[in-house]
Amino acid sequence: DGGITQSPKYLFRKEGQNVTLSCEQNLNHDAMYWYRQDPGQGLRLIYYSQIVNDFQKGDIAEGYSVSREKKESFPLTVTSAQKNPTAFYLCASSADSSGSADTQYFGPGTRLTVL
Amino acid sequence: AQSVTQLGSHVSVSEGALVLLRCNYSSSVPPYLFWYVQYPNQGLQLLLKYTSAATLVKGINGFEAEFKKSETSFHLTKPSAHMSDAAEYFCAVRTPTGRRALTFGSGTRLQVQP
Repeated sequence: DGGITQSPKYLFRKEGQNVTLSCEQNLNHDAMYWYRQDPGQGLRLIYYSQIVNDFQKGDIAEGYSVSREKKESFPLTVTSAQKNPTAFYLCASSADSSGSADTQYFGPGTRLTVL
Repeated sequence: AQSVTQLGSHVSVSEGALVLLRCNYSSSVPPYLFWYVQYPNQGLQLLLKYTSAATLVKGINGFEAEFKKSETSFHLTKPSAHMSDAAEYFCAVRTPTGRRALTFGSGTRLQVQP
């Protein structure tokens, strides 16, 4: 089945720890995205990558880092510098054809809780 | 920069009644517009999208939306609500050029009463 997988589904972190959220896609999409979802705030863009070995900060990148070493993988690290990391994290991908309204497909999400 | 406003964080309808979820956008260039649905603790699924081909867009599960440039609106409708429609709905915008990522509204939670 083609799609986007995120792991783990639930993640618990102690304050001061870094954690890495996994995102893998087998849709052969060039572009990948990380969003953060908080109740009543919709989704906010953390980082995005339009091509391997390149990525750009989104609207709330502080305290997060990413890498894009392979086309199918776009892991997100939540660092200890992120002040309020408890949230639902969603990964997405799209074909990213120039000028077209390519659909973004979303993974099932990872719920991160800081203890 | 573009933005989206969804009026009403919660909407409640009776089963069989009309569903109307409101979305207004702001964009300096003609936008692409999207409606997504999210069931509890799941990712988002595309309902429909507007890409300038036709102002009335039909999507999955009987939903449709009409792009009205004069009102900068893209409201989502369904003639008859089903219990299975209970979910959270997000409107999103992006422009044909520039950043490919979507800008989302804050969402509307739809309740369907039996």
